[in-house]
Amino acid sequence: NAGVMQNPRHLVRRRGQEARLRCSPMKGHSHVYWYRQLPEEGLKFMVYLQKENIIDESGMPKERFSAEFPKEGPSILRIQQVVRGDSAAYFCASSRDRVGQYFGPGTRLTVT
Amino acid sequence: SQQGEEDPQALSIQEGENATMNCSYKTSINNLQWYRQNSGRGLVHLILIRSNEREKHSGRLRVTLDTSKKSSSLLITASRAADTASYFCATDAQGGSEKLVFGKGTKLTVNP
Repeated sequence: NAGVMQNPRHLVRRRGQEARLRCSPMKGHSHVYWYRQLPEEGLKFMVYLQKENIIDESGMPKERFSAEFPKEGPSILRIQQVVRGDSAAYFCASSRDRVGQYFGPGTRLTVT
Repeated sequence: SQQGEEDPQALSIQEGENATMNCSYKTSINNLQWYRQNSGRGLVHLILIRSNEREKHSGRLRVTLDTSKKSSSLLITASRAADTASYFCATDAQGGSEKLVFGKGTKLTVNP
């Protein structure tokens, strides 16, 4: 029973490029959450999605960031025109019934 | 201060000793969860305690919840060097979306 999968695990982008982070939830889970973690900090909520719907995006920056969870395939967090401040670890979590979120290993984004 | 704040920020103990970490939060909650994060890795879900529960055990872990004081504690008994990690509590606000709010964590070091 595979856990939450994220890829890539490490991603290096130059300023101005686009970053695409993928998350495959656990089998049977239809709720996906994205969080960002800066060094020495806790995780900060970004967005909560169900299949084909964004439920809560109150933690998403208004510009350059978008997320989707299509009917088929993984959830995608997309960051356009990355800047140095976007360097962080991005974690995806999934849940079956909104109780108990299980986290993936994270994608560490470095913007050079 | 933010929802889900842990204290102490750092804790250093000897193997075999018990470690107690505390978490305080501000709003009414549905559930409180504790996670462990090894350096540079993803989060491991340790235990979930619901707002109508007062205490929960899992192996060497014991979690308490006091909703009147809006606080929780995580006790690790007979600690091992492998318990060295950061520990986070996370809460989901009652009546809100399912997003989790994390504190900055307690960094536990267990010396062999």
